[in-house]
Amino acid sequence: EDKVVQSPLSLVVHEGDTVTLNCSYEVTNFRSLLWYKQEKKAPTFLFMLTSSGIEKKSGRLSSILDKKELFSILNITATQTGDSAIYLCAVDPTYNTDKLIFGTGTRLQVFP
Amino acid sequence: NAGVTQTPKFRILKIGQSMTLQCTQDMNHNYMYWYRQDPGMGLKLIYYSVGAGITDKGEVPNGYNVSRSTTEDFPLRLELAAPSQTSVYFCASSADPYNEQFFGPGTRLTVL
Repeated sequence: EDKVVQSPLSLVVHEGDTVTLNCSYEVTNFRSLLWYKQEKKAPTFLFMLTSSGIEKKSGRLSSILDKKELFSILNITATQTGDSAIYLCAVDPTYNTDKLIFGTGTRLQVFP
Repeated sequence: NAGVTQTPKFRILKIGQSMTLQCTQDMNHNYMYWYRQDPGMGLKLIYYSVGAGITDKGEVPNGYNVSRSTTEDFPLRLELAAPSQTSVYFCASSADPYNEQFFGPGTRLTVL
């Protein structure tokens, strides 16, 4: 059974800390891995990763994929209270089905 | 609990046809959402509902309609299918807008 597992489930830090969120997956086939930030009602797309070892970066956020070990990490440096959200990882398992398998998410709380 | 279920899993429509995507949740969640996922793009919110009898437009509502007659069900209606509506559709639910959303498995729709 295809699955995506995220850890930790919850994380509480202070502003300025650096956090690393983990996403591991077990899927029969793999096309891409996606990270979302979920605030209030609609998740916001962050990154799509398809190749191992190539870091994607956007401001204080960065992510990398390891297709050999079947995981991805999302790093946030110099966290701010606005980073508080649920971070979702999803895997696109095959080209044919085009469906996403979502992890349960990591809830990040950043306090001043 | 089955969580969030969606039917059908796949569907091919001809231009101008209509159909209803079904979504049911058994977690007694007040909030329900419909998203579409286009390749290489993040989730886009189509419609959402904060409770039975209450619905509101999201980011991309044109060409769709919804209803929420019960807490459990939130069907999405396409009246005149267009090729631009080819996408994967996700239904989700949450207890409130500040907690994680639980996603259904998705429906892949192709309009030819």
